[in-house]
Amino acid sequence: TQLLEQSPQFLSIQEGENLTVYCNSSSVFSSLQWYRQEPGEGPVLLVTVVTGGEVKKLKRLTFQFGDARKDSSLHITAAQPGDTGLYLCAGFPTDKLIFGTGTRLQVFP
Amino acid sequence: NAGVTQTPKFQVLKTGQSMTLQCAQDMNHEYMSWYRQDPGMGLRLIHYSVGAGITDQGEVPNGYNVSRSTTEDFPLRLLSAAPSQTSVYFCASSYGAELAKNIQYFGAGTRLSVL
Repeated sequence: TQLLEQSPQFLSIQEGENLTVYCNSSSVFSSLQWYRQEPGEGPVLLVTVVTGGEVKKLKRLTFQFGDARKDSSLHITAAQPGDTGLYLCAGFPTDKLIFGTGTRLQVFP
Repeated sequence: NAGVTQTPKFQVLKTGQSMTLQCAQDMNHEYMSWYRQDPGMGLRLIHYSVGAGITDQGEVPNGYNVSRSTTEDFPLRLLSAAPSQTSVYFCASSYGAELAKNIQYFGAGTRLSVL
């Protein structure tokens, strides 16, 4: 049973556009993480959010944890080709980390 | 810094063959884990270890064995490969088992095809 659903599954945009990726669940998570994975590499942790309503910024990336701690979003401002990759959310419904289904982002110059 | 090293990068097996995927880390991390990644399913935990001599099952352990004789190494063994085990396998390590507080570092993966 997949507890973390991401949308959209695929996203192709032009350089300079803004985008938002969503991570949703019916379960409550104690904390949630976002990873980026480039082709041929393993995932790399971008951020961990732990408090409902928390917002964290990492340069042009803004991460938000839902007030009820059941969802999260990743917003990228003025996307660049270097943002291309697979974005994965991951959370702790128990003490074990589970990963979302992934959003594959392609940014064209 | 080598970080987490996985070998081989690619492997093709026939159904029924056995093999070992190697994973080594040089960061003196206590926690190590194995995941498989399949399209549209994210990463799923196979086995994990909180220290040398201690292993436990994850979400999808059937068909896989692990051992942790040293802090550095955490090999994953496929006992009798099946086409359903075709996947990309990732090894990861972190300083501690509390993954919300400890960064998990991933290897570059092993792409396995079982024919």
